[in-house]
Formats: sequence, structure tokens, C-alpha cells
Amino acid sequence: AQSVAQPEDQVNVAEGNPLTVKCTYSVSGNPYLFWYVQYPNRGLQFLLKYITGDNLVKGSYGFEAEFNKSQTSFHLKKPSALVSDSALYFCAVRGPGGGNKLTFGTGTQLKVEL
Amino acid sequence: SAVISQKPSRDICQRGTSLTIQCQVDSQVTMMFWYRQQPGQSLTLIATANQGSEATYESGFVIDKFPISRPNLTFSTLTVSNMSPEDSSIYLCSATDGLAKNIQYFGAGTRLSVL
Repeated sequence: AQSVAQPEDQVNVAEGNPLTVKCTYSVSGNPYLFWYVQYPNRGLQFLLKYITGDNLVKGSYGFEAEFNKSQTSFHLKKPSALVSDSALYFCAVRGPGGGNKLTFGTGTQLKVEL
Repeated sequence: SAVISQKPSRDICQRGTSLTIQCQVDSQVTMMFWYRQQPGQSLTLIATANQGSEATYESGFVIDKFPISRPNLTFSTLTVSNMSPEDSSIYLCSATDGLAKNIQYFGAGTRLSVL
């Protein structure tokens, strides 16, 4: 069975500082990994994905994520946070043989303050 | 990317009634999915909506409670039947398009409250 863990319910950072939102996964075989963001009263917006290739993946709005196979992690990062980045962030995984079934983490609320 | 429209965006329903949620995609898509997001929780897959055949339900979800239709490659409906307060959730439709088939795009969701 595949699973995702987001160990932090909330992350607080000051605007302009770097941010990291943590994600670890468990899946059989090579993982397909995704980050989504959810703003209040909105659906999920796709940020970035890792399927294969470079371990550092760049996505929308200046976000990037680093795939680490040995640590089974896929942490979301941004060099300089903005107040407008405040939202709920979900990590998701699916295995290569799992069809299109995505398993989501519990979400991390990011709060960026002035 | 596929643009997904859901309606209604929200509803308040009485116990024992049923609500049908519609999901429209702006292009033909290979796969469509329905998720539930309970208050303060993550997303749980209810079922995969298969075009021209019965939906594939995940463990814990049954067709009698959540009947799904998918009459063509751009449209699907989810019905929440015989509702109880425990069905109060956000219901989200997603789709995978042919060009970026590894990515699921989501609608804005339907916020359901059952009294």
C-alpha cells in the first residue's frame, strides 16, 4: 500500500525567508510524486511533479521540490516566501503500477507573515 | 491543462435527501475521479468514473450510496444518496488529460452541509 506523511500540520515563516514543507512517502517501486496547493474555498491546484530525471524539480510560482530516494522524501521549497503563498499544501504519491490512484498526505498549512 | 467546472459550489441539504453534483471538463479526458475531503482532513478517493461502464469504487464506498455516471469523455456526476450529517464534506472532481496524463487537475469542489 502507498502512503504519504506530512509531519507538520502548520509551518510559519516570515516573508522573504526560505520555506520548506516536508513530505515523506512509501510506495512499491519508483514513485510518482506531486505537490498541490489549496487556497480557501478553492480546489487543488497542481504545483509540480516528479516522475523521473533530475532530483530537483521546479514548478509554478517559484516553488521547487527535491526528491531524495534514500530518505524517501519529497520536500517542497521556495527561496523567498510571500504572504500570498499562505495556503494548504498537499503532497501526493502513486506507484508505477497503481493506475492513476493518488494517495494524499494530511496537508500542511503554510502561514507567511510580514 | 484541463479546466474543470463543478456545480453546485455549495449546498445545504436535509437528512435523508440526495444531491447530484455535476463535473464538466473543457476537453475530452481519459480518466475522471471523485474525492471526498472531510472537514480538516485530507482527500480520499471515492471512485474512478469510467466512460461507458460502471465506476470503480474504493474500499469503504459503495454504488448505492454514491452512484456515479459518466456518459461521455467530458462529463460526470456524483450523487450522494440518503444523506446524513456524516456526509458533510467537500466533494472534488478531478481529471487526467491525454497530454499530461500523469497529472490530475481538480475542480473547485462542492461544499456540502447536511442538517
